[in-house]
Amino acid sequence: DAGITQSPRHKVTETGTPVTLRCHQTENHRYMYWYRQDPGHGLRLIHYSYGVKDTDKGEVSDGYSVSRSKTEDFLLTLESATSSQTSVYFCAIREGRTGELFFGEGSRLTVL
Amino acid sequence: KQEVTQIPAALSVPEGENLVLNCSFTDSAIYNLQWFRQDPGKGLTSLLLIQSSQREQTSGRLNASLDKSSGRSTLYIAASQPGDSATYLCAVRVETGGFKTIFGAGTRLFVKA
Repeated sequence: DAGITQSPRHKVTETGTPVTLRCHQTENHRYMYWYRQDPGHGLRLIHYSYGVKDTDKGEVSDGYSVSRSKTEDFLLTLESATSSQTSVYFCAIREGRTGELFFGEGSRLTVL
Repeated sequence: KQEVTQIPAALSVPEGENLVLNCSFTDSAIYNLQWFRQDPGKGLTSLLLIQSSQREQTSGRLNASLDKSSGRSTLYIAASQPGDSATYLCAVRVETGGFKTIFGAGTRLFVKA
């Protein structure tokens, strides 16, 4: 357990509404990641952060933005949710010494 | 471009059997390789991490090996139990063009009691 908490764990929203998912960690890890997992596509990186206010895009970043104002929190925002963003979203941290990845429990988002 | 393949996609075995899950990757210039377990509706649980300089890692009934030259890793599960039923994913961290982690699609394992 790497002390990763995701919220909300489940959310149903309508097309066009904004959605923010939160990832909170308790162990001051520098690197944090947001992935989405979909059948047939596996895990795909959306955005990642390498420090406070330092973020970069992953392979499927269109339609998503992130922010990291504190070491412990990494927020993923869908400015205007679409049905194609229905997915399970996972936050992950990378342990600095070994490079080991640890994942949160996931946030299941349904966009109607 | 690094590709990670896991074969078979699904596997069903009787309880007590020793089994091997396979992970292959196309570019041997990896930084590390990690095996995960994912239960339905849950997050990924890290099982074993093998650094590029290592050949294997062991944890309880699990043993993971790494052969960079052949682009292969295997996860050996001894004396399988119904509780081992889950999807097993491998992930390769590469340093070509910046650090990236590439995930395989996973092997879905079912251990029959």
